[in-house]
Parts: sequence; C-alpha cells; structure tokens
Amino acid sequence: SAVISQKPSRDICQRGTSLTIQCQVDSQVTMMFWYRQQPGQSLTLIATANQGSEATYESGFVIDKFPISRPNLTFSTLTVSNMSPEDSSIYLCSVKWGSNQPQHFGDGTRLSIL
Amino acid sequence: GQNIDQPTEMTATEGAIVQINCTYQTSGFNGLFWYQQHAGEAPTFLSYNVLDGLEEKGRFSSFLSRSKGYSYLLLKELQMKDSASYLCAVIKDAGNMLTFGGGTRLMVKP
Repeated sequence: SAVISQKPSRDICQRGTSLTIQCQVDSQVTMMFWYRQQPGQSLTLIATANQGSEATYESGFVIDKFPISRPNLTFSTLTVSNMSPEDSSIYLCSVKWGSNQPQHFGDGTRLSIL
Repeated sequence: GQNIDQPTEMTATEGAIVQINCTYQTSGFNGLFWYQQHAGEAPTFLSYNVLDGLEEKGRFSSFLSRSKGYSYLLLKELQMKDSASYLCAVIKDAGNMLTFGGGTRLMVKP
C-alpha cells in the first residue's frame, strides 16, 4: 500500500511563530485534505488542498491562519500561522485515490504551543 | 449541517462481541466509513458502506440502514489490541468531504 509521510511528527513552538507541516505521498492522489484533532476530540476538516489553485476552507478556518499549498499530485503543506496555545493539536493530512474510495491518513503532526 | 452520534465510551471483555452504533442525519447521504484510531496514532480505514446491509471483513463487520440513518460496527472475538477509538464518518452528495462523529472509545478488559 502507498506511504503517506508527514513531517515533522511533533514540534513544540513559541507563541506567535509559524510552522509548516509537509505531507508527501509516494503515488499520485486525486484529493488531499488537512484535518485537526484537538485533545480528546474527533477530526475536524480544515480544508481541501487543490492542486494548482487555492485550497477550499471549511467554516471556521481561513487562509491567513492556515495557508495551504499543493504544487503537485503527491505533495501538500499546511502552515499554522501566528500560533497560540489554542492551536495545540494534532494535524493530519489525508488522501484519496478516487471517488467512493476511503481517505487514508498520514501519521499526524503533534503540535504544542507554549 | 450533519449530526453524527456515537456513544462516547464502551467497555467489553476479551473474546466477546461488541456493537458500536452510529446514527446520522444528513441530506444527500453518499456513504459511511468506519475508522479505528489507537491512542497517539492516525486513523486507519476499517470499512465502507454505501448500500443497505452488512459488510463483513474478518472479525469486523459493518451494517448500514439508510432509511433509519443508522450504522453499526460489530467486533467479534475481541482482543486486547482492539482497545481504541472507533470513528464513524459520513460522506455527502458526490463530494469528497468526510464529516466525523465524535468517536467511541472502546476498552477491552481481560
């Protein structure tokens, strides 16, 4: 099965800084997504990463706070900008290979903001 | 919007059978997924139902009734390693977006 690599796996950051998380897949995928999972909570979709165009954000998430890039069919980045302690969470990328196919998740990035 | 409800926690005994229920309310229903998530790890895909009925995959089975907005995940011959959170997720219309329920934390006891 395909490998979905997320980097970094974890980080501890200072308030007010920004961190970029990378998601690399070893085969071309149709769709890429970014989720947030706050402590003890389920997954919430942040945005759909669109190849070659601006991401599609869900309600409550904005591009200025979570800029996303997807330059090709195997790679995407999520930046968490101007971080505050409330951004402490696990950030997960997921991918799909076609319609009516399940999403498969990367291992996640565990982010703590001091 | 979509409402997806699951019990928060369940406890079962090793070797037993447990059923985790999920109810949903959504327009344009286009499929339901079950994921398993061990603590500190990413969710892993378990099953997908789009038509009514039972899908069996080894010790795990998933059932769907679209008319009732209801699904369950059935785990047989429970093992200690089955202790995890089980997430129900619904896909709507012809889109690709998954909406997750709150997850059910299952604890398997010896």
